[in-house]
Amino acid sequence: KAGVTQTPRYLIKTRGQQVTLSCSPISGHRSVSWYQQTPGQGLQFLFEYFSETQRNKGNFPGRFSGRQFSNSRSEMNVSTLELGDSALYLCASSLTGPSYGYTFGSGTRLTVV
Amino acid sequence: QKEVEQDPGPLSVPEGAIVSLNCTYSNSAFQYFMWYRQYSRKGPELLMYTYSSGNKEDGRFTAQVDKSSKYISLFIRDSQPSDSATYLCASGPGSARQLTFGSGTQLTVLP
Repeated sequence: KAGVTQTPRYLIKTRGQQVTLSCSPISGHRSVSWYQQTPGQGLQFLFEYFSETQRNKGNFPGRFSGRQFSNSRSEMNVSTLELGDSALYLCASSLTGPSYGYTFGSGTRLTVV
Repeated sequence: QKEVEQDPGPLSVPEGAIVSLNCTYSNSAFQYFMWYRQYSRKGPELLMYTYSSGNKEDGRFTAQVDKSSKYISLFIRDSQPSDSATYLCASGPGSARQLTFGSGTQLTVLP
């Protein structure tokens, strides 16, 4: 079966711009989580959506937002980009939640210049 | 202090060696424990899952959890060059809460 698909794979944006990243979960998975991965901080939790509702949120500023659609596809948006937002953004899906583990996508590599 | 601390490595071993990867955690509410493997330019993939304390074996991989000491381990027997990757431990408190990841240990298995 198809895995978790993230688009685009690579993105270069200018400081101050905004960006939208997309994630299509595994068919049937209703929980979608987003993580930011950087060499210094590792994997940091952004938020989780379940059945179109944000269920959990990490400690990121309000510039980071997300949403989930009725088909479980999810998007995350970062407004007013800063250089420090350069990272690999990973989407992960699971049937009902993270307790049995996630299936991750390959990520979107965002570079802010 | 991070909730999950992991030996940063990097770790380099000869092919065939037994590899031990370790993490500690501080949150007593953590109930389930996982190991993920991440190859370069890929997302992490779930390798092992354990609930509460105990051992779990899957082929060459054994995961151990000691809740009394809050210690998580992954052992790889007969390591292969294809095992070269970054290994991430992860833990979480309950069914609807997010996983907290360690910072990862980069492993290189030399042929």
